[in-house]
Amino acid sequence: QKEVEQDPGPLSVPEGAIVSLNCTYSNSAFQYFMWYRQYSRKGPELLMYTYSSGNKEDGRFTAQVDKSSKYISLFIRDSQPSDSATYLCAMRTNEKLTFGTGTRLTIIP
Amino acid sequence: GAVVSQHPSRVICKSGTSVKIECRSLDFQATTMFWYRQFPKQSLMLMATSNEGSKATYEQGVEKDKFLINHASLTLSTLTVTSAHPEDSSFYICSAVTGGFVNEQYFGPGTRLTVT
Repeated sequence: QKEVEQDPGPLSVPEGAIVSLNCTYSNSAFQYFMWYRQYSRKGPELLMYTYSSGNKEDGRFTAQVDKSSKYISLFIRDSQPSDSATYLCAMRTNEKLTFGTGTRLTIIP
Repeated sequence: GAVVSQHPSRVICKSGTSVKIECRSLDFQATTMFWYRQFPKQSLMLMATSNEGSKATYEQGVEKDKFLINHASLTLSTLTVTSAHPEDSSFYICSAVTGGFVNEQYFGPGTRLTVT
């Protein structure tokens, strides 16, 4: 079993819709939870990170962590075509990041 | 701020040759840099952690003699793939940490290596 599971998609939604991206994990030692956005043939870009269970909001993005269920989510409101990318969740123990496989998202104009 | 560059962005080499990839932090000093490998439609896999002035720490299953890492300064780390083979073809990405806060890990744009 992988430490971090993420549905690779692809996921296509119409512009303006709310997008929900999710990851599950098995390692209770994970302390920090991140979401990265990666455009094709580019390096990942950090969107958000959270530490505790609950919600964290940044503009159109909301990260949600449920440690009891070992489940994290990223919500994108008012999705735009420029949001089309691969979204990777990542989780940290000490200095090491463990990534999900990424979900390929396409926002249809 | 916090820009990380990689050079080259794309390289094609023949089997058996070696290739060097550079990772630079352009506007900050990075005490720690990480090297990842990413296969198509797969996740980033950490290869090694590189600290300035010390030997790199390799992840299990990564051959240290094949993937040579040098972190000679606070702004430069290099990855040399020695005696490359077609199975080494992949997307190699580095990242750098600023201020010792690992959550603020900034990634380079990646290097596409193709071994023929």
